[in-house]
Amino acid sequence: ETGVTQTPRHLVMGMTNKKSLKCEQHLGHNAMYWYKQSAKKPLELMFVYSLEERVENNSVPSRFSPECPNSSHLFLHLHTLQPEDSALYLCASSQDRLNTEAFFGQGTRLTVV
Amino acid sequence: KQEVTQIPAALSVPEGENLVLNCSFTDSAIYNLQWFRQDPGKGLTSLLLIQSSQREQTSGRLNASLDKSSGRSTLYIAASQPGDSATYLCAVRRDNDMRFGAGTRLTVKP
Repeated sequence: ETGVTQTPRHLVMGMTNKKSLKCEQHLGHNAMYWYKQSAKKPLELMFVYSLEERVENNSVPSRFSPECPNSSHLFLHLHTLQPEDSALYLCASSQDRLNTEAFFGQGTRLTVV
Repeated sequence: KQEVTQIPAALSVPEGENLVLNCSFTDSAIYNLQWFRQDPGKGLTSLLLIQSSQREQTSGRLNASLDKSSGRSTLYIAASQPGDSATYLCAVRRDNDMRFGAGTRLTVKP
């Protein structure tokens, strides 16, 4: 148990579907992040939330829509995805968004068919 | 733009060896550097965090060093074990962003 929990662990969706990824942290942190990990590529930052406000949107297509209803929960809403969006999506949290240790969840393996 | 490079990309060693993993970064204006371990298909496990003002951190058989001025960090693993087999990632933080290297895939053979 890392303190950061992601659900579901695996997801297969068609290109016309709408689905959501959920992340919950039990560490009392104020910053939460979404990262994408594609095969043979370094982790890519997608979004950063600090105190429930989005502070970073790293040129992510609008078919990915984040939501942070409170400091413990982070969602990634998905719609009309492409096969190249298939990847491991990782959620992370840290006490603040500057210089504290980051903790990651186990990830959601997404396959778009 | 910060670029993070990890060498080697893959490493295979017999059990019991001491080994060094390397991480280099192009912009020395960082807040901290963090080493992670990732098992296949799993999330990242934090191993060590070095703040920009620190030179090294130790945890058990792991020792990480940081030379910010030269843009280098090393992760030293002593007396390697088969359970150490995983991909090791380094990440440097500046502002909101953590930039990751592509990782070193380590295999420790019994």
